[in-house]
Amino acid sequence: QVQLVQSGAEVKKPGASVKVSCKASGYTFTTYYIHWVRQAPGQGLELMGTINPSGGRTSSPQKFQGRVTMTRDTSTSTVYMELNSLRSDDTAMYYCARGREVGATGDWFDPWGQGTLVIVSS
Amino acid sequence: EIMMTQSPTTLSVSPGERATLSCRASQNIDSNLAWYQQRSGQAPRLLIYGASTRATDIPARFSGSGSGTQFTLTISSLQSEDFAVYYCQQYNNWPRTFGQGTKLEI
Repeated sequence: QVQLVQSGAEVKKPGASVKVSCKASGYTFTTYYIHWVRQAPGQGLELMGTINPSGGRTSSPQKFQGRVTMTRDTSTSTVYMELNSLRSDDTAMYYCARGREVGATGDWFDPWGQGTLVIVSS
Repeated sequence: EIMMTQSPTTLSVSPGERATLSCRASQNIDSNLAWYQQRSGQAPRLLIYGASTRATDIPARFSGSGSGTQFTLTISSLQSEDFAVYYCQQYNNWPRTFGQGTKLEI
């Protein structure tokens, strides 16, 4: 079955960086976009960015441009999201989710990874 | 950026009753809308896409309707496992955006 498995929880100090991984299985890795979504404690869902695993092209909302870097390793079917210059308000659960098939239209998110908790604290 | 507004913020319903959740887009998104369920401590799960198509293994008591700017998620005969937070999401424009969620409580 299609599955996304994320790396474990992280605790970081303000100003540091964090890199979260998302390993895909059960489908051809390069044929679907992967999105990164975060959820602050008790809050809603916020898109951080999207990567096309085929060519590695990425897009991020303006809020995250310059702070988020997304990469992929096709040999291990894994995507990575690195967030730098961490602040206390970056404390959140970070999810990866599979998006649309490359070349297709409908871009619902399914499935989602289990989430990675990132805590930013001095 | 398209704003998605959900109402109500919290909906109190009894098991066995019907729940109706609303989602409004700040501009036309045709039928490019998805609904997700998030149970406490879990990742979101896709329920509905294309405004009205149930995702794989989603029970028939979940139904979606609407197009343009107004959308509805209806859950008929609520089960205990349905009490969760529900989010709508548009995928008509970039960036994809979510509503703030509706908490369905007993």
